[in-house]
Amino acid sequence: EDQVTQSPEALRLQEGESSSLNCSYTVSGLRGLFWYRQDPGKGPEFLFTLYSAGEEKEKERLKATLTKKESFLHITAPKPEDSATYLCAVQAGTSYGKLTFGQGTILTVHP
Amino acid sequence: DTAVSQTPKYLVTQMGNDKSIKCEQNLGHDTMYWYKQDSKKFLKIMFSYNNKELIINETVPNRFSPKSPDKAHLNLHINSLELGDSAVYFCASMGDYGYTFGSGTRLTVV
Repeated sequence: EDQVTQSPEALRLQEGESSSLNCSYTVSGLRGLFWYRQDPGKGPEFLFTLYSAGEEKEKERLKATLTKKESFLHITAPKPEDSATYLCAVQAGTSYGKLTFGQGTILTVHP
Repeated sequence: DTAVSQTPKYLVTQMGNDKSIKCEQNLGHDTMYWYKQDSKKFLKIMFSYNNKELIINETVPNRFSPKSPDKAHLNLHINSLELGDSAVYFCASMGDYGYTFGSGTRLTVV
């Protein structure tokens, strides 16, 4: 069974204090690893898809990396508007697009 | 302009009632999904349809029945609602680069 574990469950940062979120996974035939951002009362918003170990993608202050067992979401010099829940999900090769999600990391950035 | 829209946004109902949630996407995607998010923010798949055909049916009580009249719509009907059904339900459609989610329907069963 596909499994995704995210850590930490919650992370509090000061504005400008860089850090990383972790997503550990086990999946039978990884087709893609996804990162989403979710704001309160809203649906998850797509950030990145990573397909193979060694791949990296960047968007503004966020950078996602992938190894064979885990993915990291690095946040450089975060701002208060980066506060949200960050969700990681994996898609297996024969899953008809089904995503298996982790429980998320709640990020709070204080000014 | 909204890509994936769900109605209603909030739904409060009594135990034993039957209710429906509607979802529509204007992205032209062939595959749509229903996910349930519990109080701990954990998202779990319920159903998936590809061009009106059911392709994923996870271990969900028979009281939940999805219906897809066309590939742009995927509705969720719930019979005999129970307290444990209280959650946020998300509709999503899948494109080339991943999912687009709706804004969710918060269902509260009292």
